Amino acid sequence: DTGVSQDPRHKITKRGQNVTFRCDPISEHNRLYWYRQTLGQGPEFLTYFQNEAQLEKSRLLSDRFSAERPKGSFSTLEIQRTEQGDSAMYLCASSLGLALHEQYFGPGTRLTVT
Amino acid sequence: AQKITQTQPGMFVQEKEAVTLDCTYDTSDQSYGLFWYKQPSSGEMIFLIYQGSYDEQNATEGRYSLNFQKARKSANLVISASQLGDSAMYFCAMTSTGNQFYFGTGTSLTVIP
Repeated sequence: DTGVSQDPRHKITKRGQNVTFRCDPISEHNRLYWYRQTLGQGPEFLTYFQNEAQLEKSRLLSDRFSAERPKGSFSTLEIQRTEQGDSAMYLCASSLGLALHEQYFGPGTRLTVT
Repeated sequence: AQKITQTQPGMFVQEKEAVTLDCTYDTSDQSYGLFWYKQPSSGEMIFLIYQGSYDEQNATEGRYSLNFQKARKSANLVISASQLGDSAMYFCAMTSTGNQFYFGTGTSLTVIP
């Protein structure tokens, strides 16, 4: 399968724990995006990488969230000290370097904070 | 700021009929892209169709077409010959830089046999 992959697909954690999600984009895509989606809403932008550089970060992203893309390939999203409000689907997408090119999404990681 | 508005929370269509899902957008940029995605109950977002702001012709991809009316800032999705497998959430999205994409709240489409 050459699409975007995410791991894990589901994560249940207790409030206050740290969690880390991984995204592997389509291999030739140099743009990578993270989104959060809650029930009944569209995806909400979190952050964007071009190669290894994090170029955009949503103002809604609290300091507990951090993302990396160390070698311009896979990316990780870490949430520290999770809160119940962090429960959501976390989506990763990738696209080619052209600015208005479509994104291709992974299957998402569903996070439940108890 | 950019904004996408989808005013139809839910739509029903008879199998084999056509359906139009509405999308309006707001931007002050001259160059931008508009996209439609399908999200089945499995959760994965599937890219359907793209329209660039400078494209003179409406985009088409198989049974999907995008009715682009620039002056009205609308980018409606038309699905022809609906199939049961078209039942899903549909999201309209836009970007002008490729750095951030803005999504609407979606429309839930149900195809009735």
